[in-house]
Amino acid sequence: DTAVSQTPKYLVTQMGNDKSIKCEQNLGHDTMYWYKQDSKKFLKIMFSYNNKELIINETVPNRFSPKSPDKAHLNLHINSLELGDSAVYFCASSQVGTSGYNEQFFGPGTRLTVL
Amino acid sequence: KQEVTQIPAALSVPEGENLVLNCSFTDSAIYNLQWFRQDPGKGLTSLLLIQSSQREQTSGRLNASLDKSSGRSTLYIAASQPGDSATYLCAVKRASNSGYALNFGKGTSLLVTP
Repeated sequence: DTAVSQTPKYLVTQMGNDKSIKCEQNLGHDTMYWYKQDSKKFLKIMFSYNNKELIINETVPNRFSPKSPDKAHLNLHINSLELGDSAVYFCASSQVGTSGYNEQFFGPGTRLTVL
Repeated sequence: KQEVTQIPAALSVPEGENLVLNCSFTDSAIYNLQWFRQDPGKGLTSLLLIQSSQREQTSGRLNASLDKSSGRSTLYIAASQPGDSATYLCAVKRASNSGYALNFGKGTSLLVTP
């Protein structure tokens, strides 16, 4: 069983379009994340949600809007796509809880290409 | 601001060699450090997690150490195999109220030749 899953795996779209990426985790974790891996393979946090509440919003354009309908899902919606949005987007989850900060598990990634 | 540096950026070794990958971080106030493996075009696989109170963790041929005070961690791979070829990423969890996210290094690209 896949622990953290993302759809779609590949997304090719035109500049200016709006698109969404979905993420689901079946680990029962209380915290979910979106990371962006740029063309130089550098991974950087975008958003962090704990119990459906936004904790981090790093310096990400407001064209990016995360939505967490429940603790197991964290979707990423992107408006007015730009060429610079082309990257691989990774979803991750972890259990924070009272036992401290635990291992993060990552999804397989969504490769977004904006033409 | 936490900065994570990994050295070397790339490494090529013949099969069977033992090797060490290095990771350093600028802010020693961390909760834990995690080593990942990333295969080309794939996601991240967690290898080892070291809590800030621990000095090392072992899993099979892998051993990771942590020296929090000096801001360093090493990943030791024993008896390397071609299947170990991948990019290895080091990441630290900041102790600030920054929402539990990880700060990543840029990775070490490892090639193990038969």
